[in-house]
Order: sequence, then structure tokens, then C-alpha cells
Amino acid sequence: SAVISQKPSRDICQRGTSLTIQCQVDSQVTMMFWYRQQPGQSLTLIATANQGSEATYESGFVIDKFPISRPNLTFSTLTVSNMSPEDSSIYLCSVEGTFRGLNTEAFFGQGTRLTVV
Amino acid sequence: KQEVTQIPAALSVPEGENLVLNCSFTDSAIYNLQWFRQDPGKGLTSLLLIQSSQREQTSGRLNASLDKSSGRSTLYIAASQPGDSATYLCAVSTNSGYALNFGKGTSLLVTP
Repeated sequence: SAVISQKPSRDICQRGTSLTIQCQVDSQVTMMFWYRQQPGQSLTLIATANQGSEATYESGFVIDKFPISRPNLTFSTLTVSNMSPEDSSIYLCSVEGTFRGLNTEAFFGQGTRLTVV
Repeated sequence: KQEVTQIPAALSVPEGENLVLNCSFTDSAIYNLQWFRQDPGKGLTSLLLIQSSQREQTSGRLNASLDKSSGRSTLYIAASQPGDSATYLCAVSTNSGYALNFGKGTSLLVTP
């Protein structure tokens, strides 16, 4: 299993500002995933973050709005830039565990509940 | 693009009932399927993982089945308890190391 620590757990931010969310994993992982969960909705993938390369963004998400860093195999950050109320969501990071060299179940951090006012 | 659908969207049952949550997916070429629980405003807790070669997994009062050919999975909860109240999410992975595609979830309320 993997233990993921995500910070902050929640924040209330002013529109136009930026927030950086941190995700720390207790083991080395190749890929980390960032998801967004808008109120009343399910999870939508924002981007996949590989160590040592640029993050891969899903349709509808761009690097200028959601820059991601992946400095090593246990850590990643997601920044929500120039925030508006529409960015109010829960943001979650996720990794896959491995067992005998195979990727297994996905593990999630506790999420960051962001409210933009 | 993989589409995941969960039925029902919401369910309310009295304590002690057995219940079934349904999940369907459009592309049967999956790597694995995972059921999660999410409490309000919180992250996701993994409940059960079913690899594509498996047909079911059990953990305590939970049993998940997978019929890959028909694109369906069910989560069976036996003897439900108020503490089971949460949103249950189904997600599929189409390849190893790929992100998950989620359904919209089933919001479960178990009343005392």
C-alpha cells in the first residue's frame, strides 16, 4: 500500500490568487495523478505527472492554469492559478501501488477542499 | 473514450438490509476495476480491487463481482450499517499505469 499526505486539507482563497497543493508519498512511484472533483460531481483527471518530464494534461486543462511540479519520485505539487469561484472543488492526488512489478490498486490522498470567494 | 455509469445515483435503506450497487462501463478492455468509498468532503478509500482476469473479490461484508464481457460490476453490501453511509465510486483502468475513469457514484444512506 501507499500512504499519501496531501496539504493543505482545505483553504479559502480570494479570487485572482494562486494556491499550491502538495502531495507526499511514502514510497517511490513513477506516476502521480491529479484529479478534480467539482461539487456534486465525480472525479476528473487533470494531469499525469512523471518524474523528470513535463506533466501530461487532459483535455480542458492547461499548464498555465494548473502548473505541476514533480521534482522527485515521492513528491508533487499542483498549483491552481488565478483562481475564480469556478475552481472551488476538491483536488486529489493519487498513485498506483505495485505488487511483484505490476501496478495494482490506486491510492488517494485525503484531498484539498478549495473554496474561492 | 471509456464511460462509467453507476446506478442508482442515490439509495436509502434501513439498517440490516443487503444491497447491491451497480456499475457499467462501455469499453470491456479494462486492466482492473476498483470500488472506493468517499465520505463527505473527504478523499477516497479503496474498498476492493478486481483485476481483469478475476470475477470477484470479497472483504468482510463487501463483495464485488466483475463481468468484463458485459461491461458490468456489482458491489454487494451485506447487513448494512449506518456507518456504511457514504458515496461509493466505481472506477476502471484501461491499462497498467493509466489513470482511472470514474462513475458519478452512488450516495448511500443507511438509516438506524
